Amino acid sequence: EADIYQTPRYLVIGTGKKITLECSQTMGHDKMYWYQQDPGMELHLIHYSYGVNSTEKGDLSSESTVSRIRTEHFPLTLESARPSHTSQYLCASSPREGTEAFFGQGTRLTVV
Amino acid sequence: KNQVEQSPQSLIILEGKNCTLQCNYTVSPFSNLRWYKQDTGRGPVSLTIMTFSENTKSNGRYTATLDADTKQSSLHITASQLSDSASYICVVSDRGSTLGRLYFGRGTQLTVWP
Repeated sequence: EADIYQTPRYLVIGTGKKITLECSQTMGHDKMYWYQQDPGMELHLIHYSYGVNSTEKGDLSSESTVSRIRTEHFPLTLESARPSHTSQYLCASSPREGTEAFFGQGTRLTVV
Repeated sequence: KNQVEQSPQSLIILEGKNCTLQCNYTVSPFSNLRWYKQDTGRGPVSLTIMTFSENTKSNGRYTATLDADTKQSSLHITASQLSDSASYICVVSDRGSTLGRLYFGRGTQLTVWP
């Protein structure tokens, strides 16, 4: 089983709240990713990082932000949550391009 | 446009039966193709990964094939079990970008009935 962890697994919050979704991996991977997935739909890349202090936006526009201060940690923050942010957020990591990506269990976010 | 299409969208089979899931892609230049299993409410777990030169790879009861000429892949599940009920996602990686971008299909939702 992959050593990549996401917390919380489930989160229900009110509109306008600030939240941070945590993602940590203990495999020493340089590359980390955040994906957004709605039920029955494909994963969409919203953020990625090549290493410490490197972050880029993905294909799907997102109001969230990320940081990469340590190799093992890649948190995602929403400054002001809205119902449109309701979705599943998946974190992944890989050692280099072309190799397997390991996924966390996901965070199911519901904004009411 | 780089795309990954999977069929069928959903499939119901009886326990013990075999099934085959399809994946067609237009991703270019091609780097590798992966099949993932995703249980409901959980993250995807890798089943197989194949590069251009590989045309078949097995992982237990799962056998993936790749035809890079026709840009098609299949995942064959033998002697299905109830625990095989999940979404199976085809993911293609390109080598035309430094990211090694992953392109995801929408998955085939497999349900195995007793």
